[in-house]
Amino acid sequence: GESVGLHLPTLSVQEGDNSIINCAYSNSASDYFIWYKQESGKGPQFIIDIRSNMDKRQGQRVTVLLNKTVKHLSLQIAATQPGDSAVYFCAENIGGYNKLIFGAGTRLAVHP
Amino acid sequence: EAGVAQSPRYKIIEKRQSVAFWCNPISGHATLYWYQQILGQGPKLLIQFQNNGVVDDSQLPKDRFSAERLKGVDSTLKIQPAKLEDSAVYLCASSFGTGVQETQYFGPGTRLLVL
Repeated sequence: GESVGLHLPTLSVQEGDNSIINCAYSNSASDYFIWYKQESGKGPQFIIDIRSNMDKRQGQRVTVLLNKTVKHLSLQIAATQPGDSAVYFCAENIGGYNKLIFGAGTRLAVHP
Repeated sequence: EAGVAQSPRYKIIEKRQSVAFWCNPISGHATLYWYQQILGQGPKLLIQFQNNGVVDDSQLPKDRFSAERLKGVDSTLKIQPAKLEDSAVYLCASSFGTGVQETQYFGPGTRLLVL
């Protein structure tokens, strides 16, 4: 099938390890951030979000960290599984009409 | 709950031809978005509707792209005439309300190849 992001930066991890995917955002006025997962041939799938009044939020096996000082966002995936292999995008909401600006994406490759 | 539906899933056309894509959002969702995703990049918003009104079309190439959402439910995006650089995945998304910080749910996309 068609690959999403043939020339994206790639993070390769072993199954069972923890993964950390980083993202720098551009607009200091952004107040809402979302991580999406996109598998080949599919649309982006919501993973987790965080509002600017928080610096950490946890979900099931995932944690998002927000550092507003340096405009940096990270997604941590615990005990990475083969099913986590995909392209991961961070997106910032710049307010107004709920407009999202997507980053370039990172490919996560999980090896057995 | 059914997700966002899009059709067709794939389309191949020659440059200067026209093409149309269809989207049916999640039932009850007021806001609908069309994105363009070029290979290797993140999605870029083309147009956003709240109910049947356009609230943002600042990045829509209006000389060749048009979109409508006549009854505030499903939507069509049209390209006429297509150019080679329009080859991309066209994603439709929807969100429940009309406020900010609403989660956007994406459909599977339509993959367009312009030859």
